[in-house]
Amino acid sequence: GAGVSQSPSNKVTEKGKDVELRCDPISGHTALYWYRQRLGQGLEFLIYFQGNSAPDKSGLPSDRFSAERTGESVSTLTIQRTQQEDSAVYLCASSRGQGAFGGYTFGSGTRLTVV
Amino acid sequence: GENVEQHPSTLSVQEGDSAVIKCTYSDSASNYFPWYKQELGKRPQLIIDIRSNVGEKKDQRIAVTLNKTAKHFSLHITETQPEDSAVYFCAASNGNQFYFGTGTSLTVIP
Repeated sequence: GAGVSQSPSNKVTEKGKDVELRCDPISGHTALYWYRQRLGQGLEFLIYFQGNSAPDKSGLPSDRFSAERTGESVSTLTIQRTQQEDSAVYLCASSRGQGAFGGYTFGSGTRLTVV
Repeated sequence: GENVEQHPSTLSVQEGDSAVIKCTYSDSASNYFPWYKQELGKRPQLIIDIRSNVGEKKDQRIAVTLNKTAKHFSLHITETQPEDSAVYFCAASNGNQFYFGTGTSLTVIP
């Protein structure tokens, strides 16, 4: 597609429920990243996918967080047993990937509210 | 790994004045340095970038400078306007992972 697409744009969930967030990167972008941004805060790295390489999961805050990516397309970020501190905007970004310049293109994010 | 530090965290300037935001990085392998602007409630968007083989790059009212020896790079905005008010993030990349600074909240006072 023309841009990075994320869904849903907003999600309200009850504490303890699982949520799944979706990211559809720009076609041809081999690298995909997930970030978390709490209100008024910076960009907190979560996970990075590059082609068929093993993902860099070093930013995932706990084992309740996991992410998958099918080939070089859609990625899903799953948060199990959600807690109130998970409330944030989850941003996905893609880029042309390894060795390529041009920066990220961000999606519009999913605003998650855990009540 | 790379460590990117960004200063100041907040910056207020009068309309028409210049604004400068500075970042330092630690990994000498970093060779690409983009800057992102995030308006309130919106996604970060790339506004300017610089590669390590260039010392300065300008695009109208914004410019970025890079000092590879000192491992620092800066964003310069001249003739600031109220619409420049936003959070600005610097980043450093070695072609793989991107490492972001913590952001600078810029307010341009009319």
